[in-house]
Amino acid sequence: EAGVAQSPRYKIIEKRQSVAFWCNPISGHATLYWYQQILGQGPKLLIQFQNNGVVDDSQLPKDRFSAERLKGVDSTLKIQPAKLEDSAVYLCASSLNVPGLAGGETQYFGPGTRLLVL
Amino acid sequence: GQQLNQSPQSMFIQEGEDVSMNCTSSSIFNTWLWYKQDPGEGPVLLIALYKAGELTSNGRLTAQFGITRKDSFLNISASIPSDVGIYFCAGRSSNTGKLIFGQGTTLQVKP
Repeated sequence: EAGVAQSPRYKIIEKRQSVAFWCNPISGHATLYWYQQILGQGPKLLIQFQNNGVVDDSQLPKDRFSAERLKGVDSTLKIQPAKLEDSAVYLCASSLNVPGLAGGETQYFGPGTRLLVL
Repeated sequence: GQQLNQSPQSMFIQEGEDVSMNCTSSSIFNTWLWYKQDPGEGPVLLIALYKAGELTSNGRLTAQFGITRKDSFLNISASIPSDVGIYFCAGRSSNTGKLIFGQGTTLQVKP
């Protein structure tokens, strides 16, 4: 079974530029998550999709971050304009999200996109 | 917001030694997960716990869901060099349903 795919793996941009990340979840996984992981910290949830709808975007800085999952499969996360403090690893994860099924909500992570803002 | 306190922050041990790390929270969780993250990769699930008191093993790894539902520990027995990495606990809040991660424990194993 293929895992969660993300691209690009690395990105270096200057502040105030725009950047976009792409994620393709595990086939059949209804729920998709975007996390931000700052160096030395655990992942922090930015946004959660259930199929093509947003479930939780309470921690997404909406003035500069946006995300979409138009067809309920792959997703893009965009930052416009980027700030220095956006330098982090952006992780995508997916889960089956079957309530009541043990492991149905277990999240599987992609390799991440490492963003450096100069 | 809700937080998980994971300790220790880092460990440097000799190959063959046993390792123990834990997470505590002021809130009740209904799921505890333990992940390992290698440099340049995303976290990989090691063990998932769904019931208070549950004790689960995965090879040399053993994890337990605390009876109070506010803590969990992970033990690694007879450590080997490939155990090197960052270990994260994650708990799913009973109130919000959100998955919250600890700050991570960095493990170094000296051959």
